[in-house]
Amino acid sequence: DAKTTQPNSMESNEEEPVHLPCNHSTISGTDYIHWYRQLPSQGPEYVIHGLTSNVNNRMASLAIAEDRKSSTLILHRATLRDAAVYYCILMDSSYKLIFGSGTRLLVRP
Amino acid sequence: DTEVTQTPKHLVMGMTNKKSLKCEQHMGHRAMYWYKQKAKKPPELMFVYSYEKLSINESVPSRFSPECPNSSLLNLHLHALQPEDSALYLCASSHVGLAEETQYFGPGTRLLVL
Repeated sequence: DAKTTQPNSMESNEEEPVHLPCNHSTISGTDYIHWYRQLPSQGPEYVIHGLTSNVNNRMASLAIAEDRKSSTLILHRATLRDAAVYYCILMDSSYKLIFGSGTRLLVRP
Repeated sequence: DTEVTQTPKHLVMGMTNKKSLKCEQHMGHRAMYWYKQKAKKPPELMFVYSYEKLSINESVPSRFSPECPNSSLLNLHLHALQPEDSALYLCASSHVGLAEETQYFGPGTRLLVL
């Protein structure tokens, strides 16, 4: 199972952009990069995913390095509701979402 | 409707009890999953069902017995659990289980084994 490395925690101010990094140097050509987040006392929630190209949706943007060995989740304007643990996950064809330790994002008002 | 429901929300059981956790989705998804999450740890995959058949068992002890009676329902039968099995049990579903699909998670059942 491919592994990801993320900082344990990050802090941001409300209304400012947040860049959450993820390293996945052992990624294979067919692995998708998924981001999920888990708010306190809730199940994980899908944020975004991509394969090679950068992706945007209503929640966030995903920037994928050209060599695919790293990616960055971008929250354009952090709100207090974005305080959560963010998981960067590589998904292959085995159906498995293997969660790493994630990054705990603290948003200051 | 992108909701996965789980019942009960909370469960307390003794080590000799038998209980079941229930998960339901009405999105027409054919892949369903059970995860276990200990406090302050990430979720860990336990089982995967694909088209109502068990496709992955991540070496889970036999005191956990999954069942998929139809394409909308997933059960987890519990018997002779240990206190270390206390955790949040999460159910998820996805379309058919491909790598590019989104998994939709339920809110979980918080289990305490005494």
